[in-house]
Parts: sequence; structure tokens; C-alpha cells
Amino acid sequence: GAVVSQHPSRVICKSGTSVKIECRSLDFQATTMFWYRQFPKQSLMLMATSNEGSKATYEQGVEKDKFLINHASLTLSTLTVTSAHPEDSSFYICSAGLMIGGHSNQPQHFGDGTRLSIL
Amino acid sequence: AQKVTQAQTEISVVEKEDVTLDCVYETRDTTYYLFWYKQPPSGELVFLIRRNSFDEQNEISGRYSWNFQKSTSSFNFTITASQVVDSAVYFCALSEETGRRALTFGSGTRLQVQP
Repeated sequence: GAVVSQHPSRVICKSGTSVKIECRSLDFQATTMFWYRQFPKQSLMLMATSNEGSKATYEQGVEKDKFLINHASLTLSTLTVTSAHPEDSSFYICSAGLMIGGHSNQPQHFGDGTRLSIL
Repeated sequence: AQKVTQAQTEISVVEKEDVTLDCVYETRDTTYYLFWYKQPPSGELVFLIRRNSFDEQNEISGRYSWNFQKSTSSFNFTITASQVVDSAVYFCALSEETGRRALTFGSGTRLQVQP
């Protein structure tokens, strides 16, 4: 079945570092991918919708200059956390769905997530 | 706006007990999808089920069963004869039919199955 691959699975870095997370759809094309964030013991919250070939759509309260999203191909979306600080430490997870005719009749497929720890 | 409520924050049962996880949702859409995901301690989301709003048939898959009641906007999940491996956080989620297909998640229910 469809699989979404997310890399890296874990990042530990110093404050001020920029971190790039990749999300790939392995056997299908994804015109739209979603990025979620999950703080410890909390639910998953949508951060942004990544659209292939166009600008991402950010949810209210998410800084677009802080969380840069690039969706340059139909199988790859990247999330870059720029100048990360300890409060950005979280679990980031992407998802994609097979779209047919602008609609999806498939369940969302999630990557395995990236645990980001900023020291 | 869409909303998913999982009122049970944490449930603890003894192995072989049956357990039901509640999910209540709100949406203005007439067509929507409901989901259940399992999140073990390792963090990945494991897809369990997707239900279309027009399909109110209950579903059974092994020890898992789902009860969709459109009249009460509920989509409850029952695990029969629970096992220690069922210990995880379970999320109920909702997505709209058209437009963006992002999921709105409930707050999750942490299930602990004691041996």
C-alpha cells in the first residue's frame, strides 16, 4: 500500500540551528501534504498544508517565516525549522493522501514522525 | 468549524477486559470521514479505520469494533479481550469531504492494559 517516509526520525541540536525535515510519498504522487505538530501528551495540531508548486497554507498562529515549507515535487515536501529554539522542541509528523480528480478517497498516510529536541 | 472530543483522557484496564473509547464530533459538513489511529510509545500513527458519513454500518475487525451513530455524532471504538500490546494513545479524527483534507484530531485517550 501507499507509504509516506519521513526523515530524520530524531534530531537533537543547539539553539539557533535550522533543521530540515523531509516527507516523501514512496509509491504515489501527493499534490498536497500536511504538517502536524504534537507537543508531549497533547494531540496533533495541523501546522500547514503543503501544496506542490505553490505556497503553503499556514494555520493561524504558525509563523511562516519560522517554519519554511517547500513542496517542489509531487513526492517530496520539506519543513525547515529556522533558528530553532527550545520551545520548538516537539514531534513533527507529515501526512499525504492519494488524490484523484482533486479529491481523495483514501485514508491519510502518515510518516513516522520526527522528534525534534533543541538544547 | 470542526471539533472532535475524546472525553476520556486515560483508561486503565486489566488484560482480557473489554474497553470502549468514546469519540464525539462536530461538523457542519454533510459529507465527512471519521478515523481512528493508534499511537504507540514509539510515536508513529497506526491507521485503524476510516468511515464515510454515509455508511453507518458498524464494523468489526478481529478484536476491534466501531459503532458509528450519526444521530448522536459519535464514533466509538471497542477493543474486546484487551491485551497488553493494545496499550497506546488512541486518536479519533475527522476530515471534510472536499477542499483541504487535513484531519482534525481529538485530544486522544491513553489506554493502559495491565497484565
